Amino acid sequence: GENVEQHPSTLSVQEGDSAVIKCTYSDSASNYFPWYKQELGKRPQLIIDIRSNVGEKKDQRIAVTLNKTAKHFSLHITETQPEDSAVYFCAAPLSGSARQLTFGSGTQLTVLP
Amino acid sequence: GAGVSQSPSNKVTEKGKDVELRCDPISGHTALYWYRQRLGQGLEFLIYFQGNSAPDKSGLPSDRFSAERTGESVSTLTIQRTQQEDSAVYLCASSLTSGIGNEQFFGPGTRLTVL
Repeated sequence: GENVEQHPSTLSVQEGDSAVIKCTYSDSASNYFPWYKQELGKRPQLIIDIRSNVGEKKDQRIAVTLNKTAKHFSLHITETQPEDSAVYFCAAPLSGSARQLTFGSGTQLTVLP
Repeated sequence: GAGVSQSPSNKVTEKGKDVELRCDPISGHTALYWYRQRLGQGLEFLIYFQGNSAPDKSGLPSDRFSAERTGESVSTLTIQRTQQEDSAVYLCASSLTSGIGNEQFFGPGTRLTVL
């Protein structure tokens, strides 16, 4: 099945700095890559996604880049704020499945004031 | 409209007991997923329902786990003879239709503690 590896597992940045989280996947046929944010004690929520026909997508302070050749995609958060502190999960389609996502193990981002 | 809801929010049970967890998806969402999230870990797929099709049970960890869904409404996840390793947050998600690329909306989860 699809393996999604996510790094780093924890990340601390100073408020205002940028944060980057990276994920790699194994199935070259994968075509959809969402990112979910889970604040402490709350439910995961989709923050941004990218499809394989584009290399980058941006929404205000967050962006996702996709390198299909290298089979990795990254979440970029600029001008980080304390409210960005959360666990971030990447996901990719499970190999051979049109319906299942497999999730990365998560990155605990802490933005220090 | 209302989001995905789950009940109970917390469940403490003794080892060996059965538990039933409930998920109410967003109205009109045909796809429903169950995930397990152990402390500090990612989301582990358990089972998927799409309309009246046969569910995808490939993620269920053992035959102690089962789930049902009536049509496109409520789903229940049942864990029989609970074990301590079943302790986790059980998350339900729904999406408008099946298929990758449809945003999954998560419920608040049920925190299960098996003593």
